[in-house]
Amino acid sequence: KAGVTQTPRYLIKTRGQQVTLSCSPISGHRSVSWYQQTPGQGLQFLFEYFSETQRNKGNFPGRFSGRQFSNSRSEMNVSTLELGDSALYLCASSLAGSFTDTQYFGPGTRLTVL
Amino acid sequence: GQQVMQIPQYQHVQEGEDFTTYCNSSTTLSNIQWYKQRPGGHPVFLIQLVKSGEVKKQKRLTFQFGEAKKNSSLHITATQTTDVGTYFCAGQGRRTYKYIFGTGTRLKVLA
Repeated sequence: KAGVTQTPRYLIKTRGQQVTLSCSPISGHRSVSWYQQTPGQGLQFLFEYFSETQRNKGNFPGRFSGRQFSNSRSEMNVSTLELGDSALYLCASSLAGSFTDTQYFGPGTRLTVL
Repeated sequence: GQQVMQIPQYQHVQEGEDFTTYCNSSTTLSNIQWYKQRPGGHPVFLIQLVKSGEVKKQKRLTFQFGEAKKNSSLHITATQTTDVGTYFCAGQGRRTYKYIFGTGTRLKVLA
């Protein structure tokens, strides 16, 4: 079974730009969650999508948004990038839901904002 | 706000020694999950605990969920170099419903 895939793996953007990251979950998984990992703040939950609906949301500003398609693939968008958005963005998929089920993480997208 | 702290932040052990990391939440949790992240890698799910006082074992790893469901521990017996990485706990607040990761404990095993 193929694992969780994320594209692109690396990205360099400048302040003010916007970016879209993609995540393809394990086949059959309906839940996709997104996380931000930085040395200073650690791992932080962004949001979870289940069957195309946002089910949970962390404490991030509205510049961070996401969506999920009918095939469970998910995208995350960050608008008006700031230097502090530089991070490793991880997505994870699970069968029933992130908080109560085994999550499988992808390799992440390393975003650098200059 | 809800916080989940882990101690110690770093731990260096000789191969064969035991290791324990502690996870402490400021609020009661519905459950606790543990993850391991190797250097340069992504988190890998280890286990989930749900019941108060629950203890689960996976080979050399023992996980415990506190009676008050506010703390948890991971104990590794006779560490090996393959145990190197950062161990994270994560839990959902029982009242807040927020899902928070712990600060992590970075383990280094010296051969």
